[in-house]
Parts: sequence; structure tokens; C-alpha cells
Amino acid sequence: DAKTTQPPSMDCAEGRAANLPCNHSTISGNEYVYWYRQIHSQGPQYIIHGLKNNETNEMASLIITEDRKSSTLILPHATLRDTAVYYCIVRVHSRGSQGNLIFGKGTKLSVKP
Amino acid sequence: GAVVSQHPSWVICKSGTSVKIECRSLDFQATTMFWYRQFPKQSLMLMATSNEGSKATYEQGVEKDKFLINHASLTLSTLTVTSAHPEDSSFYICSALPGLAGSYEQYFGPGTRLTVT
Repeated sequence: DAKTTQPPSMDCAEGRAANLPCNHSTISGNEYVYWYRQIHSQGPQYIIHGLKNNETNEMASLIITEDRKSSTLILPHATLRDTAVYYCIVRVHSRGSQGNLIFGKGTKLSVKP
Repeated sequence: GAVVSQHPSWVICKSGTSVKIECRSLDFQATTMFWYRQFPKQSLMLMATSNEGSKATYEQGVEKDKFLINHASLTLSTLTVTSAHPEDSSFYICSALPGLAGSYEQYFGPGTRLTVT
């Protein structure tokens, strides 16, 4: 079972920041927080990941709380093409089954004009 | 970035026939590839993990004799759905894990839509 909890859906106005929350209260010390997204009828796309520090890349920012029990993915200027299901996944960096990605239901983000 | 392709992108077959889906890592070598299945309005479910040159490891509830996986090279894994039935209709997605030490990213293919009539 997925170890994360996300709201089932969110709306965001085009051009505004989209803030997607994720709860992972049972996260272990060696587990990373990963974010993927899946645009309709496509394969998932990696967005960002982090352990305990905040991270930023060209796609998004990841804010992890100090106790690591929750995180927020921020898309700074959402566009219509960001409409997708966003998955928050916790996993260890293992090449074995412990490192498998377990997808929950995710958050369906709808960016509206 | 790393690119994973799948072929075909969609396929329609008759009940009782077999269908082969290919997953290729185009610009990197993948020692491990994963196969997922996604039913409409549901999340991805891991079916099996394949390592190059060895037998695949199947998740609980996935029939290994029905879903044949071959990972014969570092850039190609195939999933064959044998004796397909309408309930096998689904979106099949593969992902690949580069063989580089310290690399844990899974790169996903675009998926294959299988419809069994």
C-alpha cells in the first residue's frame, strides 16, 4: 500500500502557483520523497525528489517539513499543460524491491484558464 | 534526458491470441526494467520486475505463465500477454532503471494501450 496521503483533486488558475500537499507521517529516515506526474494516457514523468532539504529544479520546488512528515510540491507558474495526476511516493534508494515505486491515487490537478 | 520507448503504442487483438509489447531504453543501458498495468481511472500497479539475463520477479496475484517477460539485453524487455482475454484490456507501462551506480531514477515509457475484443 502507498505510504502517502494526497487530496484527490485540486484546481489552479493558469499562471498562478500550484501547491500540492502530501502527507507521509510514517516515513523512515532513509526514505526519499519523490514526485511524478502522469498526463492523460501517457507514462509517468519524474518531477523532483528530496530527502530532507528543500529542492528546486526547472520544473518545480519541493518543500519538506522539518519533521519530514509532510511535503509540498510547488509549480510556480502553472500552465494548462500542467494538468495531470501528481503522485507523491516515498521510497528508499535501493535497486531491489524495497526501492520499488508504489503509486497511490495521486492528486488530479486541473489548471484552468 | 533518458528516453524509454514502447511498441506498439496501441494494439487491438482478438480473445485467445497473444500480444507482445516491447520496451526499449534508447540512450542508456537498463539492468532492471519494470512492468506496470493501469486500469481506467486507477493508479499504476507493478506487475513484475525484470533483470537482464535472469528470470523476472512477479508481484503477488500476477500470473507468470500468462504474462511472459523476457529481458534479453540491456536495452530491451518484452512483455507477452498470452491467450489474452477482455479482462486483460489495460494500459501497460514499462520503466527502466539505468545500470549506473547511484542511479535510482525510473524512466517511464509512453505506455501501450491493449484492447482485447
